[in-house]
Amino acid sequence: DAGITQSPRYKITETGRQVTLMCHQTWSHSYMFWYRQDLGHGLRLIYYSAAADITDKGEVPDGYVVSRSKTENFPLTLESATRSQTSVYFCASRGQGPNTGELFFGEGSRLTVL
Amino acid sequence: AQSVAQPEDQVNVAEGNPLTVKCTYSVSGNPYLFWYVQYPNRGLQFLLKYITGDNLVKGSYGFEAEFNKSQTSFHLKKPSALVSDSALYFCAVRDPGSARQLTFGSGTQLTVLP
Repeated sequence: DAGITQSPRYKITETGRQVTLMCHQTWSHSYMFWYRQDLGHGLRLIYYSAAADITDKGEVPDGYVVSRSKTENFPLTLESATRSQTSVYFCASRGQGPNTGELFFGEGSRLTVL
Repeated sequence: AQSVAQPEDQVNVAEGNPLTVKCTYSVSGNPYLFWYVQYPNRGLQFLLKYITGDNLVKGSYGFEAEFNKSQTSFHLKKPSALVSDSALYFCAVRDPGSARQLTFGSGTQLTVLP
């Protein structure tokens, strides 16, 4: 079924380890986003991408790396995980054209850093 | 700069009663406004949006929202609440005159009591 999928859904890791969260969408949407959700903060934008090989920082990019070699994939990497990066991470996408379009979200990846 | 505020962390309402979830925003120009809903352990789902035109916007599941430019508000409403409406609701804003992407509020937990 078409949609946007995230993996893994749950991940426990240790401080200092590298972690990659995967995001795959089947709509060929141009724009893809990574948000983190924390209690009291709502959703905060980490990085986004307007097209393959085009990425840009959001509100809270420090400690994260992204790439977009293919339109359908947008992985998020924590190069050296810290406890403050314990959060629920959401990937989202939307189509090209006027920026009036709504976002479509994945189910989320819950990351715990010990 | 763009920002959005949801002044109530929690809203409780009895089933069958009308419900309102409040949202105020701040942008330099005319805003694009959105409401999303999140059920437990799920991603966000689009409910409705205001881009231009009629100030009263109708969306999914019987929800509607009223854009009030003078009060910079975009409150979510439903005439008769259902227990199944219990969820976390997010308001979001985008300033189309800026390069910034969607900014989300901190969310309001709606509980509909049977």
